[in-house]
Amino acid sequence: DAKTTQPTSMDCAEGRAANLPCNHSTISGNEYVYWYRQIHSQGPQYIIHGLKNNETNEMASLIITEDRKSSTLILPHATLRDTAVYYCIVRGYMNSGGYQKVTFGTGTKLQVIP
Amino acid sequence: GAGVSQSPSNKVTEKGKDVELRCDPISGHTALYWYRQSLGQGLEFLIYFQGNSAPDKSGLPSDRFSAERTGGSVSTLTIQRTQQEDSAVYLCASSLKAGAGYTFGSGTRLTVV
Repeated sequence: DAKTTQPTSMDCAEGRAANLPCNHSTISGNEYVYWYRQIHSQGPQYIIHGLKNNETNEMASLIITEDRKSSTLILPHATLRDTAVYYCIVRGYMNSGGYQKVTFGTGTKLQVIP
Repeated sequence: GAGVSQSPSNKVTEKGKDVELRCDPISGHTALYWYRQSLGQGLEFLIYFQGNSAPDKSGLPSDRFSAERTGGSVSTLTIQRTQQEDSAVYLCASSLKAGAGYTFGSGTRLTVV
């Protein structure tokens, strides 16, 4: 019962920006949006997270809509090594302490094309 | 250690045997998660430990699956009477209570023959 929906697959030309969308229309006020990626046969890797403001780090940018019902992960200059499955998840803090459990959806398979 | 360590990295077992999978989380991480990923599938949540709270076992697929976390650190996932459908990569992740996200281990590839 993942709380997010993502396209199954996307292609992106090498060197161009990859924009990966995610819908999370049932997100609640204390839930953050997290992005992970999984390169074939490796464990998932954390990319970025945010609550309501746009975020940027050395890997990517995260754009969250004002109503927080959707977000976009942007890889500014995709390389062949960015070919992976990208997972968008929402995760909140429980009143009892600690973070909610998370269920991953099937993610978006991004193929970067030379 | 610097990351989440899982052992063994690969395990082949006969149908009906019991297996134990181990996870050493990052020191100081209070939350620990087990997931599994079947070939070509997304991540399936199994169980979640948070500090001293009772674990969330809602993702365990059957009573053949159990997990423990001793001393708030190392965790063991046990699968009894393994079946072929248990074949998958079992991933462990940990996070700080107020951390930026999970850190995943490299997983244990379980093959039941």
